[in-house]
Amino acid sequence: EIVLTQSPGTLSLSPGERATLSCRASQSVSGSFLAWYQQKPGQAPRLLIYGASSRATGIPDRFSGSGSGTDFTLTISRLEPEDFAVYYCQQYGSSPRGTFGQGTNVEIK
Amino acid sequence: EVQLVESGGGLVQPGMSLRLSCAASGFTFYDYAMHWVRQAPGKGLEWVSGISWNSGDIGYADSVKGRFTISRDNAKNSLYLQMNNLRAADTAFYFCAKDVTASPYYYMDVWGKGTTVAVSS
Repeated sequence: EIVLTQSPGTLSLSPGERATLSCRASQSVSGSFLAWYQQKPGQAPRLLIYGASSRATGIPDRFSGSGSGTDFTLTISRLEPEDFAVYYCQQYGSSPRGTFGQGTNVEIK
Repeated sequence: EVQLVESGGGLVQPGMSLRLSCAASGFTFYDYAMHWVRQAPGKGLEWVSGISWNSGDIGYADSVKGRFTISRDNAKNSLYLQMNNLRAADTAFYFCAKDVTASPYYYMDVWGKGTTVAVSS
């Protein structure tokens, strides 16, 4: 089973700054089958990125994903107030189980 | 509007059972696989179970295998999770989520608001 490790656990930044979140897999993720989700307190997760780099419908272009193999990155180019949330990566495509990372909390500095 | 609405959560004692339901609307339910994902208080997301469009392909997390059963009724646009022999560790918010394909192998593009399950004596 693939284990996803996200870093850092918490990222303290100010609005307007750039956020770089990492997701590392314990073994290669085939087909770049990696997704990113955003979750705000008291809300359900929202799909941001799939296929490592494709933005989901309605997601602003300040969100971008990159990476392949075992190392993936979510970048938020300029943080807006509504972007402060917890972000999870998820690998998919290998049997009916979608492993999630433990999450990165992007908080206001 | 695409929507998933969970119900059936509650407070139960260890060893008891609970059945969660998820009502889908706004999309062709039988075209897509579905999942249950849970989140313990203050913790991250944990995939629980997934089911293909025709119930032919089903998977469970090791933590619930043998105790939980996922099922669906395409005629009723509904997804279910039968939870037996509940433990304190099953206490969580349970989300219903739609897969982007007919097989439960991919990512989830629509999520419900969730329902709370609390297991305590």
